[in-house]
Amino acid sequence: DQQVKQNSPSLSVQEGRISILNCDYTNSMFDYFLWYKKYPAEGPTFLISISSIKDKNEDGRFTVFLNKSAKHLSLHIVPSQPGDSAVYFCAASLYGGATNKLIFGTGTLLAVQP
Amino acid sequence: DVKVTQSSRYLVKRTGEKVFLECVQDMDHENMFWYRQDPGLGLRLIYFSYDVKMKEKGDIPEGYSVSREKKERFSLILESASTNQTSMYLCASRFDRVNQPQHFGDGTRLSIL
Repeated sequence: DQQVKQNSPSLSVQEGRISILNCDYTNSMFDYFLWYKKYPAEGPTFLISISSIKDKNEDGRFTVFLNKSAKHLSLHIVPSQPGDSAVYFCAASLYGGATNKLIFGTGTLLAVQP
Repeated sequence: DVKVTQSSRYLVKRTGEKVFLECVQDMDHENMFWYRQDPGLGLRLIYFSYDVKMKEKGDIPEGYSVSREKKERFSLILESASTNQTSMYLCASRFDRVNQPQHFGDGTRLSIL
């Protein structure tokens, strides 16, 4: 049972436009959400996160929006740049026990066309 | 900057071999994790460790074991490698505090022939 879903395997956007990557989750107890970027042959790099007590977090060109009622998370990249081309994973965590595990989506491949 | 180092970028082993994948972090993180990444499946948690000598099974622990004798080092062991364990293996670490992200190494591409 996939608790975190990224329904779009790929997305293509023109340079300078907005990229919107989406993520849905099923467990309403998740309390922390993250986005990671992954280039080929490299490990995932932490990009931005949001706590469940917020609905928006912004860091430069990257903004994450959280809609708890819809159990939906999105990452906006404005403006998109060719260097943003990568696989993007969303992840969710449930704080409990000695540590909080992350549940990852299957990833969306973003291609930013020059 | 956090540095998570995995001992090998590429590894080729034979079916039935015992395989060791090593991971070292330099940030004094309490928690460490091993994932595998497969196309269309995202990252799946194999094992994690919340402190030295502590370990817990993740979602897909079968065929694997782990060792954490020192805080900075977390080893993944394939007891008897099989072809379905061909994958990208990723190690991560984090501080054991609320809302701290995991930081990943560059991965080991393991092929079992």
